[in-house]
Amino acid sequence: AQRVTQPEKLLSVFKGAPVELKCNYSYSGSPELFWYVQYSRQRLQLLLRHISRESIKGFTADLNKGETSFHLKKPFAQEEDSAMYYCALRGGSEKLVFGKGTKLTVNP
Amino acid sequence: DTAVSQTPKYLVTQMGNDKSIKCEQNLGHDTMYWYKQDSKKFLKIMFSYNNKELIINETVPNRFSPKSPDKAHLNLHINSLELGDSAVYFCATGQGLNTEAFFGQGTRLTVV
Repeated sequence: AQRVTQPEKLLSVFKGAPVELKCNYSYSGSPELFWYVQYSRQRLQLLLRHISRESIKGFTADLNKGETSFHLKKPFAQEEDSAMYYCALRGGSEKLVFGKGTKLTVNP
Repeated sequence: DTAVSQTPKYLVTQMGNDKSIKCEQNLGHDTMYWYKQDSKKFLKIMFSYNNKELIINETVPNRFSPKSPDKAHLNLHINSLELGDSAVYFCATGQGLNTEAFFGQGTRLTVV
């Protein structure tokens, strides 16, 4: 079974502070992992995917197969980063399974 | 030029009514999905179609029926609406495995 766990429902940091949004997954094979972001009243959009190994808007995420984690990190949070963040997994099927999301608030 | 568009954006209706939400994509993707985002922002897949064929049908009441007239459209019809159906419904598309999904702007359904 495919499962994605985001343990933090809410995360609040101050501007300029580092931020880490946690994501753990459960899947027996080789997963494809994504981070999606949803700004207030906007559509979900892809932030990054592990296979690309890229940094988007200063965010990075490393797949750790040993810990089955795909945490999202940014060294210096900005107010415009405030949004809902969803970790998602695709495990060899068409289905994209999402975690419950973490609401990030960056305070001035 | 919107890649994945849903109509309507907002829908307020009474319990017991039947309503449809339309989704159209111009990306040429083979796969289309419907997701439900509840009041707690939990996002869950409902259906997935690939080339007009249903390939994923999660545990969704029979009152929900997706219809794909062609590859570019996946509509969601809901019969006998209930209060618990109130949510934001997202349409999304993808092109095969190992690709991301592209989402529509969502339809906020409110059942009163």
